[in-house]
Amino acid sequence: DAKTTQPTSMDCAEGRAANLPCNHSTISGNEYVYWYRQIHSQGPQYIIHGLKNNETNEMASLIITEDRKSSTLILPHATLRDTAVYYCIVRDRDDKIIFGKGTRLHILP
Amino acid sequence: GAVVSQHPSWVICKSGTSVKIECRSLDFQATTMFWYRQFPKQSLMLMATSNEGSKATYEQGVEKDKFLINHASLTLSTLTVTSAHPEDSSFYICSASSLSDEQFFGPGTRLTVL
Repeated sequence: DAKTTQPTSMDCAEGRAANLPCNHSTISGNEYVYWYRQIHSQGPQYIIHGLKNNETNEMASLIITEDRKSSTLILPHATLRDTAVYYCIVRDRDDKIIFGKGTRLHILP
Repeated sequence: GAVVSQHPSWVICKSGTSVKIECRSLDFQATTMFWYRQFPKQSLMLMATSNEGSKATYEQGVEKDKFLINHASLTLSTLTVTSAHPEDSSFYICSASSLSDEQFFGPGTRLTVL
């Protein structure tokens, strides 16, 4: 059973911020929110993860709501190379990763 | 970051033959490795979890006698697709987990069975 809900697809103009939402209303206290992406015909690539606080790294920012029932991945300046399927995953740190259907992000030139 | 490699990157085989896919963690010791399968336009599906030196744990619906997994060392796991059929054609992806529990994914192996 999927623990997360994501839109099937989204478009974003090149150079703009891409905001990808994820709902995880049944998340438990010790589960983290992870984001991976998969560019066509490649293996998944880790982006970012967080527990409660907002996180930022060189790739993206992760905003987690105070009740932890939803989160948003932000790609600050999307490029064509960011076109991929983005997976939001909720898991304990030592749990196996189960992928949902993800969001297919199209970056438009 | 940690690197996971797979070999081969693609393979074409005849129906009825067996194919072995290797997954290696190049710069860390992987206590656990995972094997996924992905059909076109679908998400990754977890097939099995393997721990070094012990038998793999297969997900429901995955035939353990058809998909043989060996995790002989902390840096190598192999998946053998036995008696391959065209419906086994898929993209096979491994991932490796270190003691920090982070998972790192390989680039995938595309199997085509004729």
